[in-house]
Amino acid sequence: GAVVSQHPSRVICKSGTSVKIECRSLDFQATTMFWYRQFPKQSLMLMATSNEGSKATYEQGVEKDKFLINHASLTLSTLTVTSAHPEDSSFYICSASPSAQETQYFGPGTRLLVL
Amino acid sequence: QKEVEQNSGPLSVPEGAIASLNCTYSDRGSQSFFWYRQYSGKSPELIMFIYSNGDKEDGRFTAQLNKASQYVSLLIRDSQPSDSATYLCAVRNTGTASKLTFGTGTRLQVTL
Repeated sequence: GAVVSQHPSRVICKSGTSVKIECRSLDFQATTMFWYRQFPKQSLMLMATSNEGSKATYEQGVEKDKFLINHASLTLSTLTVTSAHPEDSSFYICSASPSAQETQYFGPGTRLLVL
Repeated sequence: QKEVEQNSGPLSVPEGAIASLNCTYSDRGSQSFFWYRQYSGKSPELIMFIYSNGDKEDGRFTAQLNKASQYVSLLIRDSQPSDSATYLCAVRNTGTASKLTFGTGTRLQVTL
């Protein structure tokens, strides 16, 4: 149980384009999902907390207009990187919790390369 | 001051030995503690969680929690080369729902 999927696993795009990443909880309903970014040889950096049916909560320094998050259902959250630039190239990982007090389970991650 | 601290390593142990990974945290009100393993290029996977003081064992893994000292550790018995990875300590603080604070991770190398 507690499987989280992400799609796509890898994406290459041109600078200025937008990229959408999907995060799905496959065998449980997730009221809360999290989006992280990880640069090479660095730790996870929480970008935002995604709450089903309400606006996401962004961490300090994360541009909400650049990283659009939508959590329209209890099993799906999407992260859209708008007007991507090469410095947005990173490993984006989502996680989901069945409830507020439960463990976070991570998706396999999406590797984004912006040319 | 970092909220969750780990030695970045690398921690090198021979195959078959016990690997001891340590983590300290600053929020005395923290309630839940997690250990994740992350292989290079992959996302983290949950190894164990612990809520109460003392030891919790699961196979070759033992998590130890000492809330008075604000210290949590992970022991890996009979270390295998496949255990070579970065181990992330995560803490859930009070009042933050399920949001976790991660340490920077300790890289473990198990040598033949």
